[in-house]
Amino acid sequence: AQTVTQSQPEMSVQEAETVTLSCTYDTSESDYYLFWYKQPPSRQMILVIRQEAYKQQNATENRFSVNFQKAAKSFSLKISDSQLGDAAMYFCAYRSAKGTYKYIFGTGTRLKVLA
Amino acid sequence: DSGVTQTPKHLITATGQRVTLRCSPRSGDLSVYWYQQSLDQGLQFLIQYYNGEERAKGNILERFSAQQFPDLHSELNLSSLELGDSALYFCASSPQGAVGAFFGQGTRLTVV
Repeated sequence: AQTVTQSQPEMSVQEAETVTLSCTYDTSESDYYLFWYKQPPSRQMILVIRQEAYKQQNATENRFSVNFQKAAKSFSLKISDSQLGDAAMYFCAYRSAKGTYKYIFGTGTRLKVLA
Repeated sequence: DSGVTQTPKHLITATGQRVTLRCSPRSGDLSVYWYQQSLDQGLQFLIQYYNGEERAKGNILERFSAQQFPDLHSELNLSSLELGDSALYFCASSPQGAVGAFFGQGTRLTVV
């Protein structure tokens, strides 16, 4: 069974600085998808960025980018120029390319942004 | 706005009661997922439907059941409720392909 691990329960970053959130996963599959979701205090789950495992190029969405290391089964999220609105819980998620297509989530990292 | 609608937003009920949570997926999305999030916890996968058929089951209690109707909306039924069932229940939908799952705002269930 696939698992997703986020080993940092909480992180802090100064406004305008850069922060990296870590995520590792375990799978025996070669084809899958990875995602980062943001959950602000409103509790809404917001899709931030996605990465296809077959793509070597790291995904980027404005100030958000990932470092995908397939061999190491690592998928970190980098937030550049951090803003107060980035304060939230961030969840890493895995989805198989075959089978049930359910999304498996990590336990989350709470990001605090300091003014 | 994700396009996924969940009703009600809040629900307070007593132990032993039964409730129904409703989800309308984004237009065209065939897959519907239900997740449970207890206070300050991660998301626990409950069940997935695809075009009316059950596709995957997670750690869903026998007291819980779900279905997806021909118009693709889904309902999650929770019965014999216990205090520990208090949580935020999310519905998510996704289209074909792996663009991601889009979540509703959740139903906050409080069992007293």
